[in-house]
Amino acid sequence: DSGVTQTPKHLITATGQRVTLRCSPRSGDLSVYWYQQSLDQGLQFLIQYYNGEERAKGNILERFSAQQFPDLHSELNLSSLELGDSALYFCASSVGTGQVYNEQFFGPGTRLTVL
Amino acid sequence: DAKTTQPNSMESNEEEPVHLPCNHSTISGTDYIHWYRQLPSQGPEYVIHGLTSNVNNRMASLAIAEDRKSSTLILHRATLRDAAVYYCILRDNFGNEKLTFGTGTRLTIIP
Repeated sequence: DSGVTQTPKHLITATGQRVTLRCSPRSGDLSVYWYQQSLDQGLQFLIQYYNGEERAKGNILERFSAQQFPDLHSELNLSSLELGDSALYFCASSVGTGQVYNEQFFGPGTRLTVL
Repeated sequence: DAKTTQPNSMESNEEEPVHLPCNHSTISGTDYIHWYRQLPSQGPEYVIHGLTSNVNNRMASLAIAEDRKSSTLILHRATLRDAAVYYCILRDNFGNEKLTFGTGTRLTIIP
């Protein structure tokens, strides 16, 4: 158990819909990262937040957005869903930023299926 | 991001050592070498990291070539629980914390 929790575990929805994925980082971790894992693209970095502020952006679609709240939990919002958005979404957390041994701890993931 | 090259798959017998290679010929002086693994149906987990010197921890050892253009992750005594996809990742130490995953090496352990 990494200490990172993600809800829900599974999500099935229809095209065009909007969903919210939630992540609670390990106690004391200030950085939260979101990754997408699909069969064709592999594991891809989406976005990072550090202490409530966006810190880095990867290949995140404009239909996707994220935020980190004052209690440090994070939400990833996916809207206008398409079949191709079906994937595993992982959240990871780390102690902070700027540390070279900034090990990331991954949650169990949310499996999103868009029908 | 500098690129890494790993074999797609490897097999090893249980209780034998496993050497997982990684080539990173375009590594820069500030890149650290990180290894993560992903067990079936789980999120990735950190294994080990290093810069220039060989490193050991409770999970594995990391051997880094003198020119730093390649490295080897060593599992000293593989168990069935070590069956996973192993990712070799380069990451610099200038605040760029994202992990760029390649395709990794799928390790199969034969009982």
